[in-house]
Amino acid sequence: GNSVTQMEGPVTLSEEAFLTINCTYTATGYPSLFWYVQYPGEGLQLLLKATKADDKGSNKGFEATYRKETTSFHLEKGSVQVSDSAVYFCALSSGYSTLTFGKGTMLLVSP
Amino acid sequence: EAGVAQSPRYKIIEKRQSVAFWCNPISGHATLYWYQQILGQGPKLLIQFQNNGVVDDSQLPKDRFSAERLKGVDSTLKIQPAKLEDSAVYLCASSLAVRDSNTGELFFGEGSRLTVL
Repeated sequence: GNSVTQMEGPVTLSEEAFLTINCTYTATGYPSLFWYVQYPGEGLQLLLKATKADDKGSNKGFEATYRKETTSFHLEKGSVQVSDSAVYFCALSSGYSTLTFGKGTMLLVSP
Repeated sequence: EAGVAQSPRYKIIEKRQSVAFWCNPISGHATLYWYQQILGQGPKLLIQFQNNGVVDDSQLPKDRFSAERLKGVDSTLKIQPAKLEDSAVYLCASSLAVRDSNTGELFFGEGSRLTVL
């Protein structure tokens, strides 16, 4: 079956530091990959996505590249801000199945 | 554009009691999802509706959980009787169509947090 594994948090960084949150997956077929973000007190929202191998999803300075050979979709940002503090979820969908989520990684950015 | 509305935001009950959660999706969204998010885990799909029909309820504990979407718009998720392990956040999401689950365009509500004592 489908599964997603994320690095455990919390990830604690200072403002302007480089961010990487690791995500690997197991799936049948050719999944689409996603990162969702949940800011404090808000619902989950789509951050970025990639639908085929070697695609790069990007949004708000965040990037992730779909790596089929390593079954990975790591989230990166060159310079984090305090406002990026949130919980980040990696997810996939395969065929007509709906989203399978990882456990989430909390990011805490201090000034 | 109004987002996905859920109520109540918080609910505390004792085990063996019943509880119901309500969700109103974004206008025009045909597909509605209920997810369960236990603390420290990612959301897990409980049930998916396309209009008023069930697409997937394979992970819904049907002995105690039920859900309906009678008119193809808003939806209710019920738990009866509740167990301690049902303590979680219940998330409702909607999308334009079933196919959108592959594009990732699900829109989530803020969730209903249930505590079972």
